[in-house]
Amino acid sequence: DAKTTQPPSMDCAEGRAANLPCNHSTISGNEYVYWYRQIHSQGPQYIIHGLKNNETNEMASLIITEDRKSSTLILPHATLRDTAVYYCIVSGLSNDYKLSFGAGTTVTVRA
Amino acid sequence: ETGVTQTPRHLVMGMTNKKSLKCEQHLGHNAMYWYKQSAKKPLELMFVYSLEERVENNSVPSRFSPECPNSSHLFLHLHTLQPEDSALYLCASRIQGSSTEAFFGQGTRLTVV
Repeated sequence: DAKTTQPPSMDCAEGRAANLPCNHSTISGNEYVYWYRQIHSQGPQYIIHGLKNNETNEMASLIITEDRKSSTLILPHATLRDTAVYYCIVSGLSNDYKLSFGAGTTVTVRA
Repeated sequence: ETGVTQTPRHLVMGMTNKKSLKCEQHLGHNAMYWYKQSAKKPLELMFVYSLEERVENNSVPSRFSPECPNSSHLFLHLHTLQPEDSALYLCASRIQGSSTEAFFGQGTRLTVV
């Protein structure tokens, strides 16, 4: 019952910024946007999350539109090690912050 | 290293065997989760434990039996599994009721023969 829509795949060039879109048009006011990634056959790795404001950490930036119906994860300088499946997940207090995973976006970084 | 440790990392078992998967965290988290990820499929939430009580069981067959003896440990007991139960089993933990992130273990790759 994932409530987000992501493109199934995208390529990006090593050293360039990777912009991963996510639509979540039915997000409610108390729900956060979380991003995780999963490198092949490993456990998902937390990247970033936000409620309304844009967020940045050492891994990525999260840009959330003013109406909160979509967001973009930005990997500022993609490396080959960023090749992974990226999941955008909406969750909040109403579902006790459980994470429901969709198919995500398979990102391939090419040299 | 996320602070969530799963053992074993790989397990091969026959359909008549009984085995257990273990998950351990010392992050001070009090909610723990089991997920199943079959080949080329998204993660499926199996069980949720909150404050050591099972609060969710997502129609998981009884051949999977979870146990949470304390807030730091979570087990998944397996018996009479089927080949279609072969998958990556992932454990996660977080602080109950908080928006802070969940941490995942590296998973146990289970093969049922």
